[in-house]
Amino acid sequence: QVQLQESGPGLVKPSETLSLTCTVSGDSITSFYWSWIRQPPGKRLEWIGYIYDSGSNTYNPSLKSRVTISIDTSKNQLSLKLKSVTAADTAVYHCARVREGYHDYWGQGTLVTVSS
Amino acid sequence: EIVLTQSPGTLSLSPGERATLSCRASQSVSSRYLAWYQQKPGQAPRLVIYGASSRATGIPDRFSGSGSGTDFTLTITRLQPEDFAVYYCQQYGNSPLTFGGGTKVEIK
Repeated sequence: QVQLQESGPGLVKPSETLSLTCTVSGDSITSFYWSWIRQPPGKRLEWIGYIYDSGSNTYNPSLKSRVTISIDTSKNQLSLKLKSVTAADTAVYHCARVREGYHDYWGQGTLVTVSS
Repeated sequence: EIVLTQSPGTLSLSPGERATLSCRASQSVSSRYLAWYQQKPGQAPRLVIYGASSRATGIPDRFSGSGSGTDFTLTITRLQPEDFAVYYCQQYGNSPLTFGGGTKVEIK
């Protein structure tokens, strides 16, 4: 059974960098694409981007200038960095496994609040 | 980007009734690359349907998906208590991947 668990600070100050990690268990992180997806309070899910184990990634153009997604195959983890955050980046952040573009396994999500 | 509009926003039904959820795309979704997810409070989204009509592993056959082009439907026949949740559609035929705003299926 594939399981994903997000971790990282729950509170980030405006203008700083949000950093999250997703630990994958029950399967190797190689040979799949992995996404980060977020859901601001009261709003729809928003795809942030995905990465393949070779390090090849694709980002949502709306966030591309501020996002970096990376992968550590030795730890079976993927990471998200979002720089220059504002209150609009407050959301529940999920990682998920990608199959052809849909997402078959998701993490529970972690709430990140941007506030001073 | 492709904008997905789900309707209705809320569906109030009783157990045993049939639920029909709609997902309309702002432009044609190529190759029927549309998925549906179920989400309950405090839980991760769960894949229900992919490829517009293929049920995910472990999903009961009371769930069915249909549609093509810009109009897609998720149907739940004979609602069970565990089916009351929020349902999202997602298209993956074009980048960026996009999601609908969700339909909440609540107990009447």
